[in-house]
Amino acid sequence: GQQLNQSPQSMFIQEGEDVSMNCTSSSIFNTWLWYKQEPGEGPVLLIALYKAGELTSNGRLTAQFGITRKDSFLNISASIPSDVGIYFCAGRTIQGAQKLVFGQGTRLTINP
Amino acid sequence: EPEVTQTPSHQVTQMGQEVILRCVPISNHLYFYWYRQILGQKVEFLVSFYNNEISEKSEIFDDQFSVERPDGSNFTLKIRSTKLEDSAMYFCASSVSDRTLHFGNGTRLTVT
Repeated sequence: GQQLNQSPQSMFIQEGEDVSMNCTSSSIFNTWLWYKQEPGEGPVLLIALYKAGELTSNGRLTAQFGITRKDSFLNISASIPSDVGIYFCAGRTIQGAQKLVFGQGTRLTINP
Repeated sequence: EPEVTQTPSHQVTQMGQEVILRCVPISNHLYFYWYRQILGQKVEFLVSFYNNEISEKSEIFDDQFSVERPDGSNFTLKIRSTKLEDSAMYFCASSVSDRTLHFGNGTRLTVT
């Protein structure tokens, strides 16, 4: 089935540092979404990408839809304590009409 | 901002019992979903629902599971005879089109 490999699994950084995480797959995706999840809550949409090569920003967050359609990355610049959480990539393949496939998540911890 | 609401936030049930998890999607949304997340793992797709019928379901969504939209606002997930391995966070989601999903805060189901 469609699998998303998300890395790194966890990151421990200092406040103010930039963060980069990515997702790759052997399948082609036509949608990439990046979500953040905090304890006891559902995933919250950060950025949505719909076209290969698309680069989209949301404040300090930037995400790109890879040209091959098989990968995406998320960057966070100048991290702050409230960036702590688990970040998930999610994608929708051309074959799967509505199902979202999620990556395993990147747990971000920030030392003040 | 409109949001997806789920009740209850926590449900404890005995193995073999039936449970119904309830969701009120965002009012103008047309696509409805259930996902689950076993503790510490990634979010997994269960089922999508559009135009009053299931449009897609995963292998997890077997005969023990059913969904219903009994009126114009609620969307429910029923598990007929719960098993220990059904313990998880269950997330409802909705979307206007088949693009970006908005998730509720989840129901934590504990089967004892």
